[in-house]
Amino acid sequence: KAGVTQTPRYLIKTRGQQVTLSCSPISGHRSVSWYQQTPGQGLQFLFEYFSETQRNKGNFPGRFSGRQFSNSRSEMNVSTLELGDSALYLCASSLVGAGEQFFGPGTRLTVL
Amino acid sequence: QQQVKQSPQSLIVQKGGISIINCAYENTAFDYFPWYQQFPGKGPALLIAIRPDVSEKKEGRFTISFNKSAKQFSLHIMDSQPGDSATYFCAARKGNYGQNFVFGPGTRLSVLP
Repeated sequence: KAGVTQTPRYLIKTRGQQVTLSCSPISGHRSVSWYQQTPGQGLQFLFEYFSETQRNKGNFPGRFSGRQFSNSRSEMNVSTLELGDSALYLCASSLVGAGEQFFGPGTRLTVL
Repeated sequence: QQQVKQSPQSLIVQKGGISIINCAYENTAFDYFPWYQQFPGKGPALLIAIRPDVSEKKEGRFTISFNKSAKQFSLHIMDSQPGDSATYFCAARKGNYGQNFVFGPGTRLSVLP
């Protein structure tokens, strides 16, 4: 079974731009969560989607948004990029949202 | 109250030794405590997890000890191997569903051959 895939793996943007990251969960998994990982703040929960509905949301500004499609694939969008948004963005999927979650390799976003 | 504290920040252990990483939390609503292992360039992977109604859980060389009254839990890696060299994160979640985990800051473990 293929694991969680994230595209692109690396991204360089400039301040003020917007970016869209994509996540394809493990086949059959309906829950997709997004995390931001930085050296200073560690791993922080962004949001979780289950069956196309946002079920949980972390403490991030409205510039961070996401969605989930009917095939469970998910995208997250960051608008008006700031330097502090530079991070590794991780996506994780799980079967029903209560069990073990499997992480993808992440998308490394650099904002210049 | 939402924080999970983790120590040490880094740990160096000789091959065959015991690695111990500690975590502490404040929010008594947390009821699921996993440990994740992350290698460079990879996403975290679940290692072992425990619920507060159990004081200890062992899986192979990995053991979680849980002290509910002290609001602390720890990961013990027995017979540590160079392949265990990675960053370890403890985490906590409240509620029975959802993936809104709070993570500790991580411990970088180096196991010397």
